[in-house]
Amino acid sequence: GQQVMQIPQYQHVQEGEDFTTYCNSSTTLSNIQWYKQRPGGHPVFLIQLVKSGEVKKQKRLTFQFGEAKKNSSLHITATQTTDVGTYFCAGRGYQKVTFGTGTKLQVIP
Amino acid sequence: EAGVAQSPRYKIIEKRQSVAFWCNPISGHATLYWYQQILGQGPKLLIQFQNNGVVDDSQLPKDRFSAERLKGVDSTLKIQPAKLEDSAVYLCASSLGQLAGSYNEQFFGPGTRLTVL
Repeated sequence: GQQVMQIPQYQHVQEGEDFTTYCNSSTTLSNIQWYKQRPGGHPVFLIQLVKSGEVKKQKRLTFQFGEAKKNSSLHITATQTTDVGTYFCAGRGYQKVTFGTGTKLQVIP
Repeated sequence: EAGVAQSPRYKIIEKRQSVAFWCNPISGHATLYWYQQILGQGPKLLIQFQNNGVVDDSQLPKDRFSAERLKGVDSTLKIQPAKLEDSAVYLCASSLGQLAGSYNEQFFGPGTRLTVL
């Protein structure tokens, strides 16, 4: 079945440093979504990527979708304490969505 | 716009007991999802409905779990009988549609935290 892995599992950064999480699918995806989950909260949608090689930016966040549509990345520039949480990718195959394993980000003030 | 509603928020039961969760999606959302999220892991899709039809239930343990979405709106997820390993947060989400390539942002409810003793 479809599997979606993320690395790293955990990341501790000093406030102001950059952060990147990588998402890899075992199968080709029709689209990929990214979600953020704060401690004790529920996942909140960040963005959706559909096209091969697509790059989207949201302020300090940059999202990329690989050319083969099997991998994706999320990069945060100059992290802030408000960025703390777990970031999940969710890959959608034919009618089926699979969440990744998540990357937990801790930001040290 | 009202969000996805779930109840109860917390539930504690003993193993072998039964439990049911309720979800009311955002009005007009055709697709409804139930996820199981074990502490420290990503959400695992249990079942996906498109209106009142099942799109995917490949990861639903059908010997003990059941779900229905009558009239294509509200949904209930039931566990009978519960096992210790069912302790998790059960998340309900909804989206406008689910066609590949379409914009299908999922809106999540607050979840139900189940503890099985």
